[in-house]
Amino acid sequence: AQSVTQPDIHITVSEGASLELRCNYSYGATPYLFWYVQSPGQGLQLLLKYFSGDTLVQGIKGFEAEFKRSQSSFNLRKPSVHWSDAAEYFCAVGPSGTYKYIFGTGTRLKVLA
Amino acid sequence: GAVVSQHPSWVICKSGTSVKIECRSLDFQATTMFWYRQFPKQSLMLMATSNEGSKATYEQGVEKDKFLINHASLTLSTLTVTSAHPEDSSFYICSASERSSYNEQFFGPGTRLTVL
Repeated sequence: AQSVTQPDIHITVSEGASLELRCNYSYGATPYLFWYVQSPGQGLQLLLKYFSGDTLVQGIKGFEAEFKRSQSSFNLRKPSVHWSDAAEYFCAVGPSGTYKYIFGTGTRLKVLA
Repeated sequence: GAVVSQHPSWVICKSGTSVKIECRSLDFQATTMFWYRQFPKQSLMLMATSNEGSKATYEQGVEKDKFLINHASLTLSTLTVTSAHPEDSSFYICSASERSSYNEQFFGPGTRLTVL
């Protein structure tokens, strides 16, 4: 069955520290991959997406993600976290050829001043 | 481009009443729209998928008579929560997709429903 796993429910980092949020998926072929951020009471904002091509994807707000086919992973990274990055982060998989997304359970990021 | 709006952004209603939430694609034609429900501190749960001019396809466990979905045009879908009860209180998010090779979904800002 297709699934998306975000192993870390909560992550706390200090402002200025680097960040990596993990995302693993289970799917037979290469899916379309997305990272979204959600602030409390707000909708989803797309950070970045991967459809094909270069496996290192640059997104907004200084985020990047790397697709690793061998590990079925699409981890999100940021070299230096800002206090405003505190939010919920969702990884999503869109199996090619379908319209539906499968969302991970989310990772809540807390940033210490 | 690819902007999706929802109205209202929040609504409070009495138990037993019906509430309609609108989802609009502002700058593209949405051949497919999706409705999600999100409980506090949880992920998004897909409720239904609707294609313009067709009946919605509901996910298992979602009451189609409770959550009426209409996708009458390529830019508008509505979700009506009928005879709302406090347990229907939630954050409802819609998304829209235009026919393309990537089938990317564009998300609305969400609607907070509180049923008293």
